[in-house]
Amino acid sequence: AQSVAQPEDQVNVAEGNPLTVKCTYSVSGNPYLFWYVQYPNRGLQFLLKYITGDNLVKGSYGFEAEFNKSQTSFHLKKPSALVSDSALYFCAVRDGGYQKVTFGTGTKLQVIP
Amino acid sequence: DVKVTQSSRYLVKRTGEKVFLECVQDMDHENMFWYRQDPGLGLRLIYFSYDVKMKEKGDIPEGYSVSREKKERFSLILESASTNQTSMYLCASSLPWSSGSYEQYFGPGTRLTVT
Repeated sequence: AQSVAQPEDQVNVAEGNPLTVKCTYSVSGNPYLFWYVQYPNRGLQFLLKYITGDNLVKGSYGFEAEFNKSQTSFHLKKPSALVSDSALYFCAVRDGGYQKVTFGTGTKLQVIP
Repeated sequence: DVKVTQSSRYLVKRTGEKVFLECVQDMDHENMFWYRQDPGLGLRLIYFSYDVKMKEKGDIPEGYSVSREKKERFSLILESASTNQTSMYLCASSLPWSSGSYEQYFGPGTRLTVT
């Protein structure tokens, strides 16, 4: 079975400060990891993915994520938050042997001006 | 750009009605998915399809069925709507996993209210 946890329902950060949105996962095989963002009244948009290779992956809108196999984590980061980054962020995982992708419960990011 | 469209943004139905939610994608994707999104529960997979006329149950298929007669269209059917099916429904599509492209492309969602 595969699972993903986002331990924080909400993260507040001041504009210009670095942000981190946490994600941990559990799989039996090799993990395929994803971050998606949902702006108000919109569908989800793909941000970035880790399949293999470099542990630090870069994605859209200046976001990056670090894959840590020993801690089974895939935290989303950005060096300097913008008010426009305020949205709902979802981490997702696919165990390499499965067809399905499992999403986390989501973390609401609030960037305060 | 991939476009995934859903037939309605908002829908209000009565308990016991049969409800059809339609999803169309324009990028010739093999995989299509139906999720429901509820606060505090995230996205949960209802059904997915990896080819025409093929379907597989997701994590919460009870009370739902699906139909995929054409590659671009994936329909979610609530046979007899109940109030606990009030939710946001999201459709998504993707290339087959064998392509190496794993991103899912989502529609805007249908907010269904069952009264």
